[in-house]
Amino acid sequence: GAVVSQHPSRVICKSGTSVKIECRSLDFQATTMFWYRQFPKQSLMLMATSNEGSKATYEQGVEKDKFLINHASLTLSTLTVTSAHPEDSSFYICSAREGTGVGETQYFGPGTRLLVL
Amino acid sequence: AQSVSQHNHHVILSEAASLELGCNYSYGGTVNLFWYVQYPGQHLQLLLKYFSGDPLVKGIKGFEAEFIKSKFSFNLRKPSVQWSDTAEYFCAVASWGKLQFGAGTQVVVTP
Repeated sequence: GAVVSQHPSRVICKSGTSVKIECRSLDFQATTMFWYRQFPKQSLMLMATSNEGSKATYEQGVEKDKFLINHASLTLSTLTVTSAHPEDSSFYICSAREGTGVGETQYFGPGTRLLVL
Repeated sequence: AQSVSQHNHHVILSEAASLELGCNYSYGGTVNLFWYVQYPGQHLQLLLKYFSGDPLVKGIKGFEAEFIKSKFSFNLRKPSVQWSDTAEYFCAVASWGKLQFGAGTQVVVTP
């Protein structure tokens, strides 16, 4: 199946710093990628949709200036958590969409564990 | 509002027992349906998906799911589980290109 990677797998940073997370589709091109957040013992919550060559679209309640998304190529999307605070500590997961329309399927990366001190 | 409901939050069963996990959704239009599995310490993996055609869908690792349109359901089944099926299972519905997940069901299979 399609493979999606994320880097780094875990990161610890100080409050006030920025952290960049990369999401790559390794064996297919993805015009659309998604960023999710998963809280302990909870499901995935969609944060934003990353579109290659255009602005990301954010879900209600997600601050676009805090969570900067760049989708510079068909295989790479980045999420930058700016001025991180302890409440941003979480598990961030990306997915890449393969195909369009009826047959489209999202494949998920392994996630990035962020801890803000 | 659109939603995805998984009825069981935790399921504990013995090896060789049969498994059925419920999933109901409330969407008005055409939907694509998925089951994903997350093994301990691993990322989400696609188990199976339904887009159209035969409502009984077979996936990997012996899993299958049945789409019943009249009941807005997409239940996951496996006739005989193994210890290695211990994982969290998520039902998801795609609408307008976005996935909405159920809350997940933690399945523990005891030897």
